[in-house]
Amino acid sequence: KNQVEQSPQSLIILEGKNCTLQCNYTVSPFSNLRWYKQDTGRGPVSLTIMTFSENTKSNGRYTATLDADTKQSSLHITASQLSDSASYICVASMIKAAGNKLTFGGGTRVLVKP
Amino acid sequence: GAGVSQSPSNKVTEKGKDVELRCDPISGHTALYWYRQRLGQGLEFLIYFQGNSAPDKSGLPSDRFSAERTGESVSTLTIQRTQQEDSAVYLCASGPGGWGYGYTFGSGTRLTVV
Repeated sequence: KNQVEQSPQSLIILEGKNCTLQCNYTVSPFSNLRWYKQDTGRGPVSLTIMTFSENTKSNGRYTATLDADTKQSSLHITASQLSDSASYICVASMIKAAGNKLTFGGGTRVLVKP
Repeated sequence: GAGVSQSPSNKVTEKGKDVELRCDPISGHTALYWYRQRLGQGLEFLIYFQGNSAPDKSGLPSDRFSAERTGESVSTLTIQRTQQEDSAVYLCASGPGGWGYGYTFGSGTRLTVV
């Protein structure tokens, strides 16, 4: 069964601190993995997308890693800001031949406090 | 337009009424998803369109839910005889359907059944 599991479910951090979110997936055949940021009341916005051959990708203060062997990904937020408070969703995609389907994780809610 | 457009942004309806939600995907995107997001919960897959292929309707929760899309154009999600449990944000996402590409989400339609 194709699944994406994220941890922790929620996280509270102080402004300026770093944090790391985890994502484990069992999607097969795997194509790529995306991290989305979803602000309250808004649609998800893409942060990074990585294929199986990429190990790390950065987008500003966000750095995603991917280990295709262990089927794990992480999203690291550096020097957190209040605006980082949001849900972060990990999404794994199957290859086009399988319909390019997306499998969503349940998300990690991040609250950054001053 | 440059993004995925959903309308209406908000809809309040009486229990038992039918509602129709609209999604305008990015021009040229062959893939289109509908998701439902209940308050404080993750994204729940509803239906997936890929070009002219038969849609994947496996996520539709009941026969009160239906969706249509002609080719690569607008999609409509219809909920008949709405119930209070249908209250949620309904999100639409479109993508080019190619390997390695990301999907773009609309801002969603917030449906409230009273």
